[in-house]
Amino acid sequence: GQQVMQIPQYQHVQEGEDFTTYCNSSTTLSNIQWYKQRPGGHPVFLIQLVKSGEVKKQKRLTFQFGEAKKNSSLHITATQTTDVGTYFCAGLLTTDSWGKFQFGAGTQVVVTP
Amino acid sequence: EAGVAQSPRYKIIEKRQSVAFWCNPISGHATLYWYQQILGQGPKLLIQFQNNGVVDDSQLPKDRFSAERLKGVDSTLKIQPAKLEDSAVYLCASTYDRFPNEKLFFGSGTQLSVL
Repeated sequence: GQQVMQIPQYQHVQEGEDFTTYCNSSTTLSNIQWYKQRPGGHPVFLIQLVKSGEVKKQKRLTFQFGEAKKNSSLHITATQTTDVGTYFCAGLLTTDSWGKFQFGAGTQVVVTP
Repeated sequence: EAGVAQSPRYKIIEKRQSVAFWCNPISGHATLYWYQQILGQGPKLLIQFQNNGVVDDSQLPKDRFSAERLKGVDSTLKIQPAKLEDSAVYLCASTYDRFPNEKLFFGSGTQLSVL
């Protein structure tokens, strides 16, 4: 079964609002990556987190890796229409070989102007 | 820099027919992946190549799916015979190597509809 879970599955946001999407694993992760897939497009790499408790920012996006390396979050502030798409986390389990990332089901984000 | 190339972009077949997808990774990328993405789900790894060798094919339905990367560059994924549940987008991705911090570069995918 799926080892990397994402919530919520769907997020409807008013432009200018903030929101957070969460990624949880049942087992410890070596690292975690986040990807964005625009409607009709393919996943595009956003960021990678490696260290326990790590926090990285990209403009209005803030990514966190949990202390136990079992969860991660993506927080977007002041949402814009360009943020529309599906956000996937992809975790590399410590028990898996390099490159074998487990993708979550994604959070589909819809932005209302 | 050219990205990951995939063809065809769309394919419609009837169940029990055969279909093949082609992928050319970014030049110099040793590692190539085939993912299956069913509508509303995240990409699921089918097979991972390192150069022309298979690293992981544990989730490949080997009774009907096959893949090869004979010269360690481009790759083909075949389904024979196709089932209705194979309807999905098939994504090819590549990385420079199999290091833990490598990011995946995805192609545009092939959208397969099995009728």
